[in-house]
Amino acid sequence: DQQVKQNSPSLSVQEGRISILNCDYTNSMFDYFLWYKKYPAEGPTFLISISSIKDKNEDGRFTVFLNKSAKHLSLHIVPSQPGDSAVYFCAASPHTNDYKLSFGAGTTVTVRA
Amino acid sequence: EAGVTQFPSHSVIEKGQTVTLRCDPISGHDNLYWYRRVMGKEIKFLLHFVKESKQDESGMPNNRFLAERTGGTYSTLKVQPAELEDSGVYFCASSQEGKGIYGYTFGSGTRLTVV
Repeated sequence: DQQVKQNSPSLSVQEGRISILNCDYTNSMFDYFLWYKKYPAEGPTFLISISSIKDKNEDGRFTVFLNKSAKHLSLHIVPSQPGDSAVYFCAASPHTNDYKLSFGAGTTVTVRA
Repeated sequence: EAGVTQFPSHSVIEKGQTVTLRCDPISGHDNLYWYRRVMGKEIKFLLHFVKESKQDESGMPNNRFLAERTGGTYSTLKVQPAELEDSGVYFCASSQEGKGIYGYTFGSGTRLTVV
């Protein structure tokens, strides 16, 4: 059963505008959420995270919002740049220790010049 | 430091054949994870090694898959016999003990195509 869902397989946005990626989860035990970015022929790389005690975490152009009651999180990229074109994966875990991650199916972001 | 290395990068085999994927983690990383992404779907956990021991193999799909990590260094994932549904990208990740979920480094993956 898929516990992390990214229902938008793709997103196209103009350079300089905001990209909003959404992620929903079903497992109420998840307390830690991560976003990964993946370029073609490369492995996923960690981008930003948030824990359930927060509702927002910001790192430069990237902000993640968490709505725990709705089991929903989103990643905002402002402003979007051509180098942001990649596949973004949402991931979750009930623990911070050495443990497996549950991933979504990914959202492919294309930033148009 | 060298990253996580996976070999081969691509493999095309016929149904019924055997394929062995290899992962070389970052030196000193005791944790090694295997994941798989079937076309367009989620990245699914397969198993987790701590050194040479299987910590969690709950994601292994069936007994056609065999993972080993002899000596606690590199790991192999053998698929025997391969079926069409085994096609996908197999990712390996490693992390230092105690670094937790924020310490993952992924390899670039092996794209397996079963025809």
